[in-house]
Amino acid sequence: QVQLVQSGAEVKKPGSSVNVSCKASGVSFTRYSIAWVRQAPGQGLEWMGGIIPLLNSASYAPKFQGRLTITADKSTNTAYMELSRLSSEDTAIYYCARVVVSLNFDFWGQGTRVAVSS
Amino acid sequence: EIVMTQSPVSLPVTPGEPASISCRSSQSLLHSNGFTYLDWYLQKPGRSPQLLIYLGSNRASGVPDRFSGSGSGTDFTLKISRVEADDVGVYYCMQAVQTPITFGQGTRLEIK
Repeated sequence: QVQLVQSGAEVKKPGSSVNVSCKASGVSFTRYSIAWVRQAPGQGLEWMGGIIPLLNSASYAPKFQGRLTITADKSTNTAYMELSRLSSEDTAIYYCARVVVSLNFDFWGQGTRVAVSS
Repeated sequence: EIVMTQSPVSLPVTPGEPASISCRSSQSLLHSNGFTYLDWYLQKPGRSPQLLIYLGSNRASGVPDRFSGSGSGTDFTLKISRVEADDVGVYYCMQAVQTPITFGQGTRLEIK
């Protein structure tokens, strides 16, 4: 059974960085891509970017260019999302999701709450 | 960036009745490879989103046949033939024909 297990909740100060992990099990990690999607409180879903672990190739939404880094460790089947220069507007639940060849997100992690507060 | 617009924003439905959600995109979602990259997701209260429909009209594994997706180009519809209490939540359409991938603002289905 495919599972994506994310790291735990974080509380961060403005201006700092957060690193969220997403560990895949029950699936060959290198056969798929991983996307990161966030959801601010009471808001909709927002695609941040994704990575193809096999190629170690990442793409980012223009909104996050320059402060978002997505990486993957094939040896541990884990993807990482690091967001820097945090502000209160980055308070959200961050999800990872598996992306299949038809470009849909068929399995999702449980979500990681990130709160940014001084 | 492709803008996805859903309607209605809120959808109260009586159990057993049908429901329909519209999704329109600002550009065609038909790729040159012939596939239409439009998906539907349901986010139940307090849960992660789950895939319902992919490539416009294909039900994901385990999704009841009460759910169906249709449409082409820029106009798409998700239909539920008979709404059940377990269908409550927020429904999102999503386009993946080009990056950045974008979602509709969501349609909240509630039971009357």
